[in-house]
Amino acid sequence: KNQVEQSPQSLIILEGKNCTLQCNYTVSPFSNLRWYKQDTGRGPVSLTIMTFSENTKSNGRYTATLDADTKQSSLHITASQLSDSASYICVVSVNTGFQKLVFGTGTRLLVSP
Amino acid sequence: EAGVAQSPRYKIIEKRQSVAFWCNPISGHATLYWYQQILGQGPKLLIQFQNNGVVDDSQLPKDRFSAERLKGVDSTLKIQPAKLEDSAVYLCASSFRREGSGNTIYFGEGSWLTVV
Repeated sequence: KNQVEQSPQSLIILEGKNCTLQCNYTVSPFSNLRWYKQDTGRGPVSLTIMTFSENTKSNGRYTATLDADTKQSSLHITASQLSDSASYICVVSVNTGFQKLVFGTGTRLLVSP
Repeated sequence: EAGVAQSPRYKIIEKRQSVAFWCNPISGHATLYWYQQILGQGPKLLIQFQNNGVVDDSQLPKDRFSAERLKGVDSTLKIQPAKLEDSAVYLCASSFRREGSGNTIYFGEGSWLTVV
């Protein structure tokens, strides 16, 4: 069964600190892995997309890693800001001839002043 | 570039009533998705269109939900009759093409449905 699990479920950090969110997946056949940021009451916004051959990708203060062997990904946020408070969703795309996305349940991050 | 447009943003209806949501994807995007997101959960795919054809509707509760994408552009999602458990955010998303790695999927802001 295709599944994406994220940890922790929620996280509180102080402004300026770094944090790392985890994503484990059991998806086959793998196509790509995406991280989305979803602010409360808004639609998800894409942060990074990584294919099988990519093991790291950055987008500003966000850095995603992918280990295709262990089927794990992480999202590292550097020097957190209050605006980083959101849910971060890991999404894995299944290669079925058309894109089928498997969503994690997300990590809710609260950055406290 | 204009984003994915959805309306209405908020809707409150009584159970057994009907509701319709509208989505206008980004211009030129062939693939359109409707997702249901219950509070605290990740989005669940309801239906995926490639142009005006359905490529995946396996999780669409067809006894009460219907969707169409006439002319391969705008789409509507209808719920009739609504149940309490349909209370959720309905997200529309679009992407340029259906296959291949790396094409970004853009989401709208969602339509929030409360069934009372």
